[in-house]
Amino acid sequence: AQSVAQPEDQVNVAEGNPLTVKCTYSVSGNPYLFWYVQYPNRGLQFLLKYITGDNLVKGSYGFEAEFNKSQTSFHLKKPSALVSDSALYFCAVRDMAGGGNKLTFGTGTQLKVEL
Amino acid sequence: EPEVTQTPSHQVTQMGQEVILRCVPISNHLYFYWYRQILGQKVEFLVSFYNNEISEKSEIFDDQFSVERPDGSNFTLKIRSTKLEDSAMYFCASHTGPSNSPLHFGNGTRLTVT
Repeated sequence: AQSVAQPEDQVNVAEGNPLTVKCTYSVSGNPYLFWYVQYPNRGLQFLLKYITGDNLVKGSYGFEAEFNKSQTSFHLKKPSALVSDSALYFCAVRDMAGGGNKLTFGTGTQLKVEL
Repeated sequence: EPEVTQTPSHQVTQMGQEVILRCVPISNHLYFYWYRQILGQKVEFLVSFYNNEISEKSEIFDDQFSVERPDGSNFTLKIRSTKLEDSAMYFCASHTGPSNSPLHFGNGTRLTVT
């Protein structure tokens, strides 16, 4: 079975500071990992993915994420946060060993960026 | 950029009534999904659909739920006899098929069961 944990319900950061949103995963085989962002009353928007190769992946709006196999983590990062980054962020995993094509999502982390 | 579209944006129904939620996936996509989200929290998988049949479903997707792709463009979720606990945001998603491709989500239908 595949699962994702996002240990923080909320992350607060000041604009201009770096931000990290944490994610750990559990799969039987190799993972495909994704980050999505959700703004109020909207669907989930794809930010970035890790499939294979370089452990640091870059995505939309200046976000990046680092895959760490030994720690089974895929933390989302951004060097300098903007107020407009405030939203709900979801980590998701697809297990390549029998998980089908569905994505399993974490519980979400509310990011609040303040002036 | 092509989008997944969902209608209606908000549906209010009485307990025990049937509802149909509609989705138009992106035209060249082959895999279709329904997810739900209760109170802006966890996004839960309901069902996946490929080649005109269900490929996977969760324990939430019981006999009260069904999906259909009636005409090659629409993808519908039917709840036969709604319960109060079915109140949620329902999201349709689609993708091209390779397992490394991300899902594209619609903006959702907010279902309120009274």
